[in-house]
Amino acid sequence: DIQMTQSPSSLSASVGDRVTITCRASQGISTWLGWYQQKPEKAPKSLIYGASNLQSGVPSRFSGSGSGTDFTLTISSLQPEDSATYFCQQYDDFPYTFGQGTKLEIK
Amino acid sequence: EAQLVESGGSLVQPGGSLRLSCIASEFPFKDFEMNWVRQPPGKGMEWISYIDSSSATIYYADSVKGRFTVSRDNARNSLYLQMNNLRAEDTAIYYCTKSHASTWGQGTLVTVSS
Repeated sequence: DIQMTQSPSSLSASVGDRVTITCRASQGISTWLGWYQQKPEKAPKSLIYGASNLQSGVPSRFSGSGSGTDFTLTISSLQPEDSATYFCQQYDDFPYTFGQGTKLEIK
Repeated sequence: EAQLVESGGSLVQPGGSLRLSCIASEFPFKDFEMNWVRQPPGKGMEWISYIDSSSATIYYADSVKGRFTVSRDNARNSLYLQMNNLRAEDTAIYYCTKSHASTWGQGTLVTVSS
């Protein structure tokens, strides 16, 4: 199985900060990676597909990059509504696997 | 905008069975692969099953293989998950997702407990 290691597991940042979350795959997955946002008691929402493609309706402050084994999700200017848990998923091979999540808090 | 609505979750005893449903709307369901993903309380996500658009290709996570069966009815825009021989560790919110999780349903809670 492909292991997805996400870091950090939690972080606290201020409004306006630039925030980066990373996801590392245990083997190359090309760009078969998605990023998701989940707020408490809510279903996840897709932010990025194909490692770097923004889903329709997602604010442009969110961006994704990477290929192979190393990927990043960047929030260019943190907003209060970005407080959530973020996680990645590889869909290069079965079983699809997820990162353990990053809990982002606003200072 | 694509929508998915799950139903069928409930409290069930260990060893029992449940059938989850997922109704799709606002997109051509018959053209898309679908997945089931679950999230135990307070924990991360676990992918559990995949079915392609024609039901020709199906995959399961090892944790559910032999106990869960995924199916779909394209005429009814519906995805199903038949869950048998349920265990306490199957307790989770179950989500259906479209394609590479581009759309998620709101989830349905399955609790396995005596």
